[in-house]
Amino acid sequence: ETGVTQTPRHLVMGMTNKKSLKCEQHLGHNAMYWYKQSAKKPLELMFVYNFKEQTENNSVPSRFSPECPNSSHLFLHLHTLQPEDSALYLCASSQDSASSSYTFGSGTRLTVV
Amino acid sequence: QKEVEQNSGPLSVPEGAIASLNCTYSDRGSQSFFWYRQYSGKSPELIMSIYSNGDKEDGRFTAQLNKASQYVSLLIRDSQPSDSATYLCAVNIEGGGNKLTFGTGTQLKVEL
Repeated sequence: ETGVTQTPRHLVMGMTNKKSLKCEQHLGHNAMYWYKQSAKKPLELMFVYNFKEQTENNSVPSRFSPECPNSSHLFLHLHTLQPEDSALYLCASSQDSASSSYTFGSGTRLTVV
Repeated sequence: QKEVEQNSGPLSVPEGAIASLNCTYSDRGSQSFFWYRQYSGKSPELIMSIYSNGDKEDGRFTAQLNKASQYVSLLIRDSQPSDSATYLCAVNIEGGGNKLTFGTGTQLKVEL
């Protein structure tokens, strides 16, 4: 498999649930990102990981918790979300911390009920 | 003030025409500029990058950058219905490392 793979593609969760989003890249990249895409809004950067180390947390609420066990995998753990957190969550990767040329995954469409 | 600004559209052009998509940015020190295409329900796909003033051509696509005017554009020649999508402008803000700041995107509709 090549590229950036995200699972699940769709997720519906209650406000008291705990779930995780998974992202895996097979490109040999060393930087990975989580972005949130809501209707009528620009993509919002959430987290940046360079060589497994978190280098950016863009004032994201603590109900979103990222994890990067290695350069190929990135997780976003979700708990006690709010309905306004419903959005498309996109994972991306780039070669390294000097590269802004991203490859995006297909995204997880999250609905919080 | 928005950091990266695009007209949301929709921009409608007839098949075969030139589509012109525009983007302005606020950070004068920005160094890298990207255009992504996003089909409805799909993820963004990188189609062009440009780093220096002037034009950069790739097939039917031409990116134009004018740093003095803080303006970047994307021209699509011989527009096809398959070009109908939302086009996202993204900028690497000075001092932002490898972070990209995106505009809201312009929806392009190519009509038969």
